[in-house]
This record gives sequence, C-alpha cells and structure tokens, in this order.
Amino acid sequence: DAGVIQSPRHEVTEMGQEVTLRCKPISGHNSLFWYRQTMMRGLELLIYFNNNVPIDDSGMPEDRFSAKMPNASFSTLKIQPSEPRDSAVYFCASVSLGNSYNEQFFGPGTRLTVL
Amino acid sequence: SQQGEEDPQALSIQEGENATMNCSYKTSINNLQWYRQNSGRGLVHLILIRSNEREKHSGRLRVTLDTSKKSSSLLITASRAADTASYFCAVTGFQKLVFGTGTRLLVSP
Repeated sequence: DAGVIQSPRHEVTEMGQEVTLRCKPISGHNSLFWYRQTMMRGLELLIYFNNNVPIDDSGMPEDRFSAKMPNASFSTLKIQPSEPRDSAVYFCASVSLGNSYNEQFFGPGTRLTVL
Repeated sequence: SQQGEEDPQALSIQEGENATMNCSYKTSINNLQWYRQNSGRGLVHLILIRSNEREKHSGRLRVTLDTSKKSSSLLITASRAADTASYFCAVTGFQKLVFGTGTRLLVSP
C-alpha cells in the first residue's frame, strides 16, 4: 500500500496567488482529514470528510480556504488568495470508519511558503 | 478544548536512558493516542490506550492513563538515536483527534 499521497511536497508562491493542495487517501479509507502545522499554533484540524461529505469545517481559518472531496480517492485544499501567514505544512490523513480505534494515517505533507 | 498538552516541551537524553513524556487534557475522552513525527515527515501512530485501560505496552513503549487526573505518560525505554523525533498525544472526541503541542526528544549517541 502506498499510504496517503500528497502533492506537491513543496510549494512556493507569491501572495495573492491561488494554491491547490492535493491528497489521495489510502484505498478503502472513508474518512479524510486536513491539518495545518506551524511552530506557533502546532497541529490544527482544518476540516474532515466522512464518505466524501464535509462533516466539520470549523477549523478552516477563513473564506479564503476551501476543501473538496469529489470522490473517495481524491481531495483538494485550496487557498485563494494566499497570504504569507498561510505558510505552513499541510497534512492530509485518512482513516477507516470501521476502525473503532480511529488511528489516522498521515501523508508526508505539503510545505507551503507564501512570499 | 480537549487539547492535550505535553510536558516537557523538549527533552535531551543519552542513548540507553529512558525518556518520559507527559500529556494532560481537559475533558472526558474515548481514548488517547500517541504519535511520533520525524523531522520533515508526517505523523506516525505509536500506540492507543482506551479510557478504561490504565497501562499498555508495545515493544519499548509503555503508556499509562489516569483518567481521574486527566493525564497520560509515554515512556520509551533504552532509547536510541533513532528515537529522536517529536512526540504528540492526541485525545479522541467524536471521530476527531485533537493534538497536543508535542515534546521534542533528542537522543544523543
């Protein structure tokens, strides 16, 4: 199993540009989570999906952030327009809802730098 | 918030020594998990302890849970340089994990 796949691994962009981060969860997992990690705020949950449906987006910082999961094998997190304070590492994680232990499997992350 | 908070924030030890990290949380939980993060990598699940368990072992890892004190500890015995990483506790609410701030462990050869 390839694990959770994220792309790109690194993204450098200029303020005001649109950024799209991508995630492919582990096959068979039906819950997907987007996190953001910074030194100042640690690891924050942004949004999560169950069976492709957004369940809780209370962690999305503002309207500039949006996330979609058009099918069970793909999700995107979009920032438009991007700002320097969005610089962080963004992680995607997936879990099987049948796993009552809720162990999450993380991708390698996308390091975003907004200049 | 159910956020777990780890203590200490940083820990530096020699190979072969034991490392103990503590986690405190605020509300009732279903279970508590510990994750490790190597530099530049995603988090990796280490061990889970359920709210009705008091102690659990996995290899060189030992986790305890005291629900009356809302605290947990992670003990790594006979540490190795490869154990150098950040360690996070995560408390489980309804389907969500809420992560603590992490302990940075440095194990020197």
